Amino acid sequence: ELKVEQNPLFLSMQEGKNYTIYCNYSTTSDRLYWYRQDPGKSLESLFVLLSNGAVKQEGRLMASLDTKARLSTLHITAAVHDLSATYFCAVDRGEYGNKLVFGAGTILRVKS
Amino acid sequence: NAGVTQTPKFQVLKTGQSMTLQCAQDMNHNSMYWYRQDPGMGLRLIYYSASEGTTDKGEVPNGYNVSRLNKREFSLRLESAAPSQTSVYFCASGGIYSNQPQHFGDGTRLSIL
Repeated sequence: ELKVEQNPLFLSMQEGKNYTIYCNYSTTSDRLYWYRQDPGKSLESLFVLLSNGAVKQEGRLMASLDTKARLSTLHITAAVHDLSATYFCAVDRGEYGNKLVFGAGTILRVKS
Repeated sequence: NAGVTQTPKFQVLKTGQSMTLQCAQDMNHNSMYWYRQDPGMGLRLIYYSASEGTTDKGEVPNGYNVSRLNKREFSLRLESAAPSQTSVYFCASGGIYSNQPQHFGDGTRLSIL
């Protein structure tokens, strides 16, 4: 059974600082997705990572995937208040139908 | 550009009542999904439909039924609501290729008293 663990679950950081959110998963998969959710809102796709060594960057966020370690990271550079949200990683189970297993989410609060 | 539309947005039910959550997508996606989101647990897959005419169980299907009415519409039915089904329900759609992320609706906030 595929399990996905994120840490930390809650992160409070100062503006301008760097930090990394970790996403570990328990069984082989080479497809991983990062989503952002603002309070009371829907989920917005951030990154799609489809192979070992994949790296994607958008603004102050950079995501990477190491399929051998079963680990993805979401790195935040020089955080700003607008990045405050909940971030989810989701791993494809590898079965027909693109079924995802989500992590519990990381609540990020950036303090100005 | 509506994307994925869910109705209703909010609903309060009494234990034992039934209701259907509606979802429609206009992105011509083959696959559609229903998730529930509970605090501290991320999203969990209830049912999915890989293509029109097919449905299958996800992680937490008990107490729910689904209908893939056509390519655009995928409904979720609670036959006899229970307090444990209080949650936020999200519908999503996606292409058959994993390089496409799933697109989510705005959610239905359901409370069962």
